[in-house]
Amino acid sequence: QQQVKQSPQSLIVQKGGISIINCAYENTAFDYFPWYQQFPGKGPALLIAIRPDVSEKKEGRFTISFNKSAKQFSLHIMDSQPGDSATYFCAASKSGYSTLTFGKGTMLLVSP
Amino acid sequence: DTAVSQTPKYLVTQMGNDKSIKCEQNLGHDTMYWYKQDSKKFLKIMFSYNNKELIINETVPNRFSPKSPDKAHLNLHINSLELGDSAVYFCASSLAGLQSPNSPLHFGNGTRLTVT
Repeated sequence: QQQVKQSPQSLIVQKGGISIINCAYENTAFDYFPWYQQFPGKGPALLIAIRPDVSEKKEGRFTISFNKSAKQFSLHIMDSQPGDSATYFCAASKSGYSTLTFGKGTMLLVSP
Repeated sequence: DTAVSQTPKYLVTQMGNDKSIKCEQNLGHDTMYWYKQDSKKFLKIMFSYNNKELIINETVPNRFSPKSPDKAHLNLHINSLELGDSAVYFCASSLAGLQSPNSPLHFGNGTRLTVT
């Protein structure tokens, strides 16, 4: 049973465009939603995270939008750059002592 | 450098062999993990240790045996390797197993295991 569904599987965006990756979760006990970024040959690294008490969190060009009623959250990358080309994973967990459940990942390619 | 480091980076071996992957973190974390990333990039947790104690053991064949000599080290030993074990194995650590922006998972750079 996949508890976090991520789409699309892959995404090509032109430089300067907006990249949007969507995730949906099933477990209503989840209350911590991070996004991880993974470059080839490297481990995933935390990019940005949100808790359900806010509907949006912005850090630079990266924004998480959260819709609690729909059990969905998304990552928006504004002014996408070739250096943003990576695999992005959404994840979810309960806060406190818990483990992350990851989505299946989205391979983003930003063309110059 | 403060980091999660794992060795070797690449491991090529034949079916039936036994191999080990080592992991060390100098972040002062007390919880360490092994994740498996398959060819489709899906990340799945295998084990979690807190202060040298096994706290999560997902449905993993018992050919996989983690060992934590202290809270800064978590090794993974794999017996009787099979073709399906080919994947990238990531070690990770966190503080107290807590999930928060202030205590993210820190991943190593992975060990690519190829079983021929």
